[in-house]
This record gives sequence, structure tokens and C-alpha cells, in this order.
Amino acid sequence: EVRLVESGGGLVQPGGSLRLSCAASGFTFSGCWMNWVRQAPGKGLEWVAYIQQDGGEKAYVDSVKGRFTISRDNVKNSLYLEMNSLTAEDTGVYYCAANAPLNYWGQGTLVTVSS
Amino acid sequence: DIVMTQSPDSLAVSLGERATINCKSSQDVLYRPNNRNLLGWYQQKPGQPPKLVVYWASIRQSGVPDRFSGSGSGTDFTLTINSLQPEDVAVYYCQQFYTTPFTFGQGTKLEIK
Repeated sequence: EVRLVESGGGLVQPGGSLRLSCAASGFTFSGCWMNWVRQAPGKGLEWVAYIQQDGGEKAYVDSVKGRFTISRDNVKNSLYLEMNSLTAEDTGVYYCAANAPLNYWGQGTLVTVSS
Repeated sequence: DIVMTQSPDSLAVSLGERATINCKSSQDVLYRPNNRNLLGWYQQKPGQPPKLVVYWASIRQSGVPDRFSGSGSGTDFTLTINSLQPEDVAVYYCQQFYTTPFTFGQGTKLEIK
């Protein structure tokens, strides 16, 4: 059974940092592109970042460039998102998702940026 | 960036009738080396993550009922749901994966009339 389990979300003050993790199982993680997608409360989906299988290529949406870093550990079957200089506009549920198109999704982890 | 525009924003259809959702991309998303449109459709029910229903614009994902179908090429795409069922109530999104950022449409909310 394919599983993607996100963790690391929570309440953080503006300007703060968080590190999200996504643990993968049930598929060949090292063979997949991996992505982060977020959804602000009551809003639509926004693709945030992706990383190629070996971590050599990464891309980000403009609004997070220079603040967020995507990484992966193919030994631990894990995906990460380091988030710095957080603002209220970063609030939402963060999903990890595999491949393009995104055929495997986790349940998401909620990030709330508020003072 | 490629802008994805869906229409309508919301749609109410009677049970057993057809629902049609449109998606227009600001640039061509046809990948000519393999003649595939790099366009996917997702279904999101309340409180759940999205689920892929159609990829490459017209290929139904495994396990998706055959009342779902996708069509279109280049910049104009359609998701059709025939014989609408209660479990089809959801928000539907298109997404291009031709070039980063892999942008989504704004979503179309499908309800029962």
C-alpha cells in the first residue's frame, strides 16, 4: 500500500521557521519526482516545489524562492521542506505528492503562521 | 508562468446528467516528442487530499469510474462526468506539468442540483 505521511506542521510566528517531513512507503521512492503542494484555508491548490529523483534538479514557485528549500533522503525514503522567513500567506495545509502528474498524495500537515 | 483558467467556477448538475468542466492554458502544453498533453485533472472532496482522475489530458487513472473522461489538446481541455453520481460532488482542478511552476487552475466546485 502506498503511503505518504507528512509531519512537522504547527503554529509559528511570522518570521519563524519550520521543517516539514514526508515519509514514503509502498512504492519506489528513489524513482519518483517528489513535490510539495499547499492549500490555504478555503482556497485552491498551489504547487510549491519539486525535486528530481537524485535531488540534482529542484524548482520552486516564485513566492517561496530564497525562503524554502526542498530536499530528500532516498535511503530514509523521506522528503523535506525547510521553510524560513514565514509569513501569514504561507498558512495552509502542505501536501507531499509523488510524480508528475501527482498520482500519490499524503494527507497533509497544517502550517499556521500567526502571532 | 503558464496560467490555467477553469470554467465555470461552480456547477450544479442533476443526478444522472452530464457535467462538463473546461480548462484553458495560457500556453501550449503538448509535449511533441511523445505527443502527450502534460495536463492532469484532480478531484478533491472535503477534508481529503486531491486524487488524480485523468492524466495526459485523456487517460483515466486506474480505478477511476469510466463515467469520467478527459479530452482536448494544446491549450483547451475538458473533463466530462457522465451520469453524475452523489459521490462525484467535489472540487475539480486541472494542472499543467509541462513546465515549472506546475500551475493549477482555480478549481470548479461541482454540486448536485
